[in-house]
Amino acid sequence: KNQVEQSPQSLIILEGKNCTLQCNYTVSPFSNLRWYKQDTGRGPVSLTIMTFSENTKSNGRYTATLDADTKQSSLHITASQLSDSASYICVVSDRGSTLGRLYFGRGTQLTVWP
Amino acid sequence: EADIYQTPRYLVIGTGKKITLECSQTMGHDKMYWYQQDPGMELHLIHYSYGVNSTEKGDLSSESTVSRIRTEHFPLTLESARPSHTSQYLCASSESGGGAYSTDTQYFGPGTRLTVL
Repeated sequence: KNQVEQSPQSLIILEGKNCTLQCNYTVSPFSNLRWYKQDTGRGPVSLTIMTFSENTKSNGRYTATLDADTKQSSLHITASQLSDSASYICVVSDRGSTLGRLYFGRGTQLTVWP
Repeated sequence: EADIYQTPRYLVIGTGKKITLECSQTMGHDKMYWYQQDPGMELHLIHYSYGVNSTEKGDLSSESTVSRIRTEHFPLTLESARPSHTSQYLCASSESGGGAYSTDTQYFGPGTRLTVL
């Protein structure tokens, strides 16, 4: 069964600290993996996208890694800010015959305290 | 910043009412989507559209219906709302290409929080 599991479910860190969020998936065949940021009461916004051949992608203070062999990805946030408080969602796309589809994780709820 | 809009942002209604959630985008995207999201849970695709006059049901069974008469507009209608319909509804769009569920970046609207009493 194609699934996307994220951990931890929630995380609290102090402003300025670093953190790493995890995503494990069983989606096959694999096309790409995205990390989205979803602020409370808002729609998700894409942070990074990685294909099979990419193992790291950065977007400012956000760095995503991908290990396609172990089917794991991580999102590292450096020097966290209060505005980083949000849900971070891992989304994996497959390469189904004629239809690619998306599999969503439940997200990690990050809270950054001052 | 994505140009995709949803109205209303919040809606509280009584059981049995008919409602329409509006979604519009100004990016000229052919593909549009409706997702349902409960707190702490993953997004579930309930409807999508390839383009004008094209609509398909998604993975999650839904009693709602959609229409796509214009490229920029993708409204969702519930004929008779029930408390089980209480949820957040997110609309998204993406450019052409790829499969029906699209591997292109999807741009999301702010969502409509629906509460049915």
